[in-house]
Amino acid sequence: EIVLTQSPGTLSLSPGERATLSCRASQSVSSSYLAWYQQKPGQAPRLLMYSTTNRASGIPDRFSGSGSGTDFTLTISRLEPEDFAVYYCQQYESSYTFGQGTKLEIK
Amino acid sequence: DVQLVESGGGWVQPGGSLRLSCAASGFTFGSFEMNWVRQAPGKGLEWISYITSSGRTTAYADSLRGRFTISRDNAKNSLYLQIHTLRAEDTAVYYCARGWGGFDPWGQGTLVTVSS
Repeated sequence: EIVLTQSPGTLSLSPGERATLSCRASQSVSSSYLAWYQQKPGQAPRLLMYSTTNRASGIPDRFSGSGSGTDFTLTISRLEPEDFAVYYCQQYESSYTFGQGTKLEIK
Repeated sequence: DVQLVESGGGWVQPGGSLRLSCAASGFTFGSFEMNWVRQAPGKGLEWISYITSSGRTTAYADSLRGRFTISRDNAKNSLYLQIHTLRAEDTAVYYCARGWGGFDPWGQGTLVTVSS
């Protein structure tokens, strides 16, 4: 099983700042098979990125993804108040697994 | 609008069984792969199972194989998850989600509580 480890566990930032979230895989994952989700309290997850760099429909361009092999990054260029949430990475190279999540909180 | 609506959750005693349903609308259900994902209270996301658009191929998380059965009825635009021998650790919100590479969209979830 491919294990995904996200860091940091919690990230405290202010609106307007840049957020960098990390996702590390226990073995190599094709960049075609890595996705990111956002989840707000009491809501279902929402797809943000697929195939590492592709934004899902309706996702603003302040969200971007990068990475390859075992290291992937979700970047939010300039935080808006609605971006504070929990973020999960997911691999679909071999079955499906999710990272444990990064909570992005307001500083 | 593309919509997924889960139902069938509730309280069940340990050892019991439950069938969850997911009603799809706003898209051609029979053309898409589907999944079940769960989230225990205060925890992260755990993928449970996948089914191809035709229903002929299924896959399960290794740790859950044997007690969970995914199925679908394309004529009824519905996805199902049968869960047997429920345990306290199965307490979670169960989501259905469309797709293969990147799940989109997700339903709002249905809560299953396993307790005596």
